[in-house]
Amino acid sequence: KAGVTQTPRYLIKTRGQQVTLSCSPISGHRSVSWYQQTPGQGLQFLFEYFSETQRNKGNFPGRFSGRQFSNSRSEMNVSTLELGDSALYLCASSLGGGVLSGNTIYFGEGSWLTVV
Amino acid sequence: KNEVEQSPQNLTAQEGEFITINCSYSVGISALHWLQQHPGGGIVSLFMLSSGKKKHGRLIATINIQEKHSSLHITASHPRDSAVYICAFTRGSQGNLIFGKGTKLSVKP
Repeated sequence: KAGVTQTPRYLIKTRGQQVTLSCSPISGHRSVSWYQQTPGQGLQFLFEYFSETQRNKGNFPGRFSGRQFSNSRSEMNVSTLELGDSALYLCASSLGGGVLSGNTIYFGEGSWLTVV
Repeated sequence: KNEVEQSPQNLTAQEGEFITINCSYSVGISALHWLQQHPGGGIVSLFMLSSGKKKHGRLIATINIQEKHSSLHITASHPRDSAVYICAFTRGSQGNLIFGKGTKLSVKP
């Protein structure tokens, strides 16, 4: 079956712009979580959605937001982009219960965002 | 101080060697995960542990809850094992992962 699909894979944006990244989870998975990876900070948790509700949120400014649709697909948005937002953004999905449930987490290949 | 520390940061091994990567954490956790990240970014979940030991092929993961320590072992290492290995944990009922900085493993033929 298809894995976690993230689009776009690569994008370049200018400071001050906004960006929307998309994540399609594995069919049947209801939990989607987002992570940011940078060389300096490593991997950091952004937020987790389950059945269209944000269940957990990491320590990121309000410029970072997300949502989940009824088909479990998720989007994250970053407004007023800053140079420091340049990163790999990873999405992961799992069956109901997310990382606490014991179900395996499946990651997408990520979206590489460069802010210039 | 980071809540999770991995060692070593970088590791070079010869094909066939036994490899150990360590992960120490400083808080109570509900589960510990070992992840593998290949160049290009994709991450694969290798193990999720809350106690004891798990084995999958040449990979073995152990956790000692009392000592707040976990290890990932690779037996008979192979160049295709070259990747970054990351430990991460969840805490209590919080459904978010807290990550270590990763161990970059390079296995030479």
